[in-house]
Amino acid sequence: ETGVTQTPRHLVMGMTNKKSLKCEQHLGHNAMYWYKQSAKKPLELMFVYNFKEQTENNSVPSRFSPECPNSSHLFLHLHTLQPEDSALYLCASSQQGAFYGYTFGSGTRLTVV
Amino acid sequence: RKEVEQDPGPFNVPEGATVAFNCTYSNSASQSFFWYRQDCRKEPKLLMSVYSSGNEDGRFTAQLNRASQYISLLIRDSKLSDSATYLCVVNNPRGSSNTGKLIFGQGTTLQVKP
Repeated sequence: ETGVTQTPRHLVMGMTNKKSLKCEQHLGHNAMYWYKQSAKKPLELMFVYNFKEQTENNSVPSRFSPECPNSSHLFLHLHTLQPEDSALYLCASSQQGAFYGYTFGSGTRLTVV
Repeated sequence: RKEVEQDPGPFNVPEGATVAFNCTYSNSASQSFFWYRQDCRKEPKLLMSVYSSGNEDGRFTAQLNRASQYISLLIRDSKLSDSATYLCVVNNPRGSSNTGKLIFGQGTTLQVKP
């Protein structure tokens, strides 16, 4: 596989469920990012990882828990979400510093019921 | 002031028209600049990168004015398939943790009509 792969593409979960989103990049990048995009709203940065170390948490509620076991994989663990957390969750990767831009995954469309 | 500002539109233009989008940014230390295209309910995709004064790719021309901290995107001979949201994106070389990241504008919506 090439590029940035996100799974699952679609997820419906109840407020008491626990689920995880997965992101994998095959580009040799060393920075990975989680973004949230609610309907008709701009992208919101959630977390930044550089060389698998978290370097930014943009005041994200603790019900979202990221994990970066290595530079190629990024997870977002979800628990006790709220309906307002329903959104498109996008993973991106880049070389450190993002000078050449990001490559995005296709996203996970999450619905919390 | 937002770090990256764009007119959200929408811009409604007929096929074949020329349309221009403008964008301003606040961080004078920014080193690289991009236009991304985002289709409805899809991920953003890189349209053009700008590292010096400008870049041209077919019907698309991006220009950068560092002194005015201003970026533009010109689309000539608009096609129906150009309908999308265009995101102005600026590299921020010094994030809150001294690491770089991209700063996204809110996007400009283009609707090309027959």
